[in-house]
Amino acid sequence: DSGVTQTPKHLITATGQRVTLRCSPRSGDLSVYWYQQSLDQGLQFLIQYYNGEERAKGNILERFSAQQFPDLHSELNLSSLELGDSALYFCASSADRNSPLHFGNGTRLTVT
Amino acid sequence: AQTVTQSQPEMSVQEAETVTLSCTYDTSESDYYLFWYKQPPSRQMILVIRQEAYKQQNATENRFSVNFQKAAKSFSLKISDSQLGDAAMYFCAYRHYSGGGADGLTFGKGTHLIIQP
Repeated sequence: DSGVTQTPKHLITATGQRVTLRCSPRSGDLSVYWYQQSLDQGLQFLIQYYNGEERAKGNILERFSAQQFPDLHSELNLSSLELGDSALYFCASSADRNSPLHFGNGTRLTVT
Repeated sequence: AQTVTQSQPEMSVQEAETVTLSCTYDTSESDYYLFWYKQPPSRQMILVIRQEAYKQQNATENRFSVNFQKAAKSFSLKISDSQLGDAAMYFCAYRHYSGGGADGLTFGKGTHLIIQP
């Protein structure tokens, strides 16, 4: 068990809808990262938060947004969903730059 | 931008044998970390081993060890005494650091490791 909790495990929704994925980092970890894993694109970095502030942005679409709350949990919001957004979304957390990233079990999103 | 290349999409090894997975990366930085992550069919991402770039000694974790060649920008993973439970996708990853505390992992495309009983 990595200590990173992601909910829900599975999500099935229709095109055009909006969903929210939730992540609770390991106790004490201030950094949260979101990754998207799809068959054709591999593991893509979306966004990083550190202690409530956005620190880095990767290949995140404008339809996607995220935030990290004072209790350090994070949410990834995906809107105007398209079929191509179907993927496994991972959250990871890290204590500092010298600590590895620990991943949650992911949320499997299926857009129909 | 940093890139990570895993040139072996798939590898197969007999149980109890040794296998080496290749990884090369491209960077102009001198301070970084390298990782190998394992993703079994359950789809979890499990940390296997990590290497600090400033350390010349190769990291070892039980049956897993790395061959880190900094000048060649090479970071291979050796699995000794392969077991059926080692069957998984293996991802090489480079951790990069930017200003203001920004950092993250860049992953290779992965190597699918098959263990033959």
